[in-house]
Amino acid sequence: DAGVTQSPTHLIKTRGQQVTLRCSPKSGHDTVSWYQQALGQGPQFIFQYYEEEERQRGNFPDRFSGHQFPNYSSELNVNALLLGDSALYLCASSPDRGVSYGYTFGSGTRLTVV
Amino acid sequence: RKEVEQDPGPFNVPEGATVAFNCTYSNSASQSFFWYRQDCRKEPKLLMSVYSSGNEDGRFTAQLNRASQYISLLIRDSKLSDSATYLCVVNGGSGNTGKLIFGQGTTLQVKP
Repeated sequence: DAGVTQSPTHLIKTRGQQVTLRCSPKSGHDTVSWYQQALGQGPQFIFQYYEEEERQRGNFPDRFSGHQFPNYSSELNVNALLLGDSALYLCASSPDRGVSYGYTFGSGTRLTVV
Repeated sequence: RKEVEQDPGPFNVPEGATVAFNCTYSNSASQSFFWYRQDCRKEPKLLMSVYSSGNEDGRFTAQLNRASQYISLLIRDSKLSDSATYLCVVNGGSGNTGKLIFGQGTTLQVKP
């Protein structure tokens, strides 16, 4: 049983560009959340999706947007990239919106903005 | 004030030692609590949920004090393989929303 899968694993982009990160949740999970983790910090909540809608959002600008598809997979889009967007982006899935079972994380996409 | 606060450490302990980590949270409406473990350059993995009555999983014991908004993790008989960063996680909304907020993490180094 595959866990949470993310692609790509690594990415290098130039300031001002746009990026799309992809996530397939664990089988049986319908909720996807995205997190940004800077070096030496805990993961920061970006947003949560279930039933193809954004349900919760953290303190991130509108440059960060997402989508969830009918098969529960999800994308994270970041526009107008800044150097400060360099981080590990983690996708996490849950069968119950993270309430009782927490989240299962993918291994992340390491984004470097130059 | 951060929503979830942890002492970043590092905690350096010898094998076999008992070590305790603490965490405080600011949202009194939070209802879900977890400890995650993160190895260097890896994703966080769920270590255990934290229940009001306290719970134990082998060498690991978690406690919750709602009145003080305080969570703890106790590791007994530390192993070299316990070396990692331990992340305190709290539900960030009112009620159970699944918006999980992570602390900065506490780094543990277990030495031979």
